[in-house]
Amino acid sequence: GAVVSQHPSWVICKSGTSVKIECRSLDFQATTMFWYRQFPKQSLMLMATSNEGSKATYEQGVEKDKFLINHASLTLSTLTVTSAHPEDSSFYICSAADSGSFSYEQYFGPGTRLTVT
Amino acid sequence: RKEVEQDPGPFNVPEGATVAFNCTYSNSASQSFFWYRQDCRKEPKLLMSVYSSGNEDGRFTAQLNRASQYISLLIRDSKLSDSATYLCVVFLQSGNKLVFGAGTILRVKS
Repeated sequence: GAVVSQHPSWVICKSGTSVKIECRSLDFQATTMFWYRQFPKQSLMLMATSNEGSKATYEQGVEKDKFLINHASLTLSTLTVTSAHPEDSSFYICSAADSGSFSYEQYFGPGTRLTVT
Repeated sequence: RKEVEQDPGPFNVPEGATVAFNCTYSNSASQSFFWYRQDCRKEPKLLMSVYSSGNEDGRFTAQLNRASQYISLLIRDSKLSDSATYLCVVFLQSGNKLVFGAGTILRVKS
């Protein structure tokens, strides 16, 4: 149980285009999902907290107009990188917290590797 | 000062060795503590939670010292498959978020 999927697994796009990444909780409901970014040889950095039915909460330094987050259902959150540039190339990972659990545990998706050329 | 600090390593050890990782955290309001394992180009996976009383799971033992704001992970009888990056993670209830350390690289060699 507690499986989180991400799609796509990897994507290559041209500078200036937008890319949408989906994060799904497959066997549980997630009121809250989290989006992280990881650059090579660095740790995961939380970008934003996605809340079902309301606006996402962005961490300091993360542009909300560039990284659009939508959490329209209890099993799906999307991250859209708008007008992507090479410096946005990174490993994007989502996680989800089980709404029905009192645990603080987050379940991670397999990640999406974005390369912007 | 980083919120969660770890020795980046790498720790290069032979099979069968015992290796210990240390971690310190700066926010005394941190609620819960974890060790995650991350393999190259993969997502992090929960290894174990960490409690003040200490907890053990097979070859892995985790300890928490709240007074010193210090967390440790001990791996006994290292296996080749233990090679990975080990992430120290704290949960801040105030922000409802996990904060990750930069990770410690472990390489177990035959």
